[in-house]
Amino acid sequence: DIQMTQSPSTLSASVGDRVTITCRASQSISSWLAWYQQKPGKAPKLLISKASNLESGVPSRFSGSESETEFTLTISSLQPDDFATYYCQQYNTYPWTFGQGTKVEI
Amino acid sequence: QITLKESGPTLVKPTQTLTLTCTFSGFSLSTSGVGVGWIRQPPGKALEWLAVIYWHGSEYYSPSLKSRLTITKDTSKNQVVLTMTNMDPVDTATYYCAHRRVELGLDYWGQGTLVTVSS
Repeated sequence: DIQMTQSPSTLSASVGDRVTITCRASQSISSWLAWYQQKPGKAPKLLISKASNLESGVPSRFSGSESETEFTLTISSLQPDDFATYYCQQYNTYPWTFGQGTKVEI
Repeated sequence: QITLKESGPTLVKPTQTLTLTCTFSGFSLSTSGVGVGWIRQPPGKALEWLAVIYWHGSEYYSPSLKSRLTITKDTSKNQVVLTMTNMDPVDTATYYCAHRRVELGLDYWGQGTLVTVSS
């Protein structure tokens, strides 16, 4: 299985901060990586597909990038609605695997 | 508008078989490129992918659970069914179904259903 190592596990930040979350794949996954946002008691919401393609309706403060097997989710200016847990997921190879999550808290 | 909703028992006993149904609308599972997957999340833990089925009938499973899982589709009813045998308390989780299109992530999710395994 491809391991997805996500860091940090918890991130404390303030409104307006620039936030970066990293996900490293144990082997090449090309660009087949998605980012999700999950709020307590809710289903995950797809933010980004194919490493950097923003889903329709997702604010432009969210962006994704890649460098070989390292993937990054950036929130350019953290808003109150962004406090949540974020997960990466590779879908290059079965079994699909998720990172362990990053909780963004105040 | 694409919607999905999971249904099934909220409580199962150890060793029993769990059957979950995902009923969806807004898309057809006979459309090229479309799939429906199942993902679970134990309380306070990360997401875990379980299985996916595609428009052409191909199925893929988590290797660690493959012997216990079966995913099927009923295109006429707009349903996907997941069965998991030999349930154990460690299988207690919220189970989600989700839509995907090839090359994209899981773009529409059901609300999830919490399944507790306890005697």
